[in-house]
Amino acid sequence: GAVVSQHPSRVICKSGTSVKIECRSLDFQATTMFWYRQFPKQSLMLMATSNEGSKATYEQGVEKDKFLINHASLTLSTLTVTSAHPEDSSFYICSARDPSGAGGLVNEQFFGPGTRLTVL
Amino acid sequence: GDSVTQMEGPVTLSEEAFLTINCTYTATGYPSLFWYVQYPGEGLQLLLKATKADDKGSNKGFEATYRKETTSFHLEKGSVQVSDSAVYFCALSQGGSEKLVFGKGTKLTVNP
Repeated sequence: GAVVSQHPSRVICKSGTSVKIECRSLDFQATTMFWYRQFPKQSLMLMATSNEGSKATYEQGVEKDKFLINHASLTLSTLTVTSAHPEDSSFYICSARDPSGAGGLVNEQFFGPGTRLTVL
Repeated sequence: GDSVTQMEGPVTLSEEAFLTINCTYTATGYPSLFWYVQYPGEGLQLLLKATKADDKGSNKGFEATYRKETTSFHLEKGSVQVSDSAVYFCALSQGGSEKLVFGKGTKLTVNP
């Protein structure tokens, strides 16, 4: 089945530093990937939609200069949290859309396992 | 805006017990409805879906029926197993939109 990986799974950084999270579709090409954020005991909140070769579309209230998204290839999207602060600590999850339907459903989203970011 | 409300967890059951996790939604139009499951250390996986009223989604013994009159999509399983222990998310998407709106998730623990 379609597999999406994220790296790293867990990262701890100092306030003011930047952190890059990678999302890869391992066995399919994903023209569209999505980035979500999840707070404890809260639902996943869509941050942005990443389209290969074009600028990401950010949801209302998400700072595009804070959360830089790059989707340079059909199998890789990156989320960079710039000048991270403690309030950016969260669980970040990506998903990739498989347009082929190989997983059984056309345009089904396949999710990565998530990245736990802790900013000290 | 659109929203999904699901029952607060955690839910703890004994093996072979009956499971119900309630999910209701608020949306304009006729959304598609989904249940996702997240096993420990893994990403969310689509468990089942329904795209129109009265549709029943089913997979791995789980079922959910799209009830337009009550705006609900409750997840049920007749006999849970220890391996069903996971977090379950109810979600919706509108029309041809790819955007998913999720509930908060319900953690299920099944004891032997």
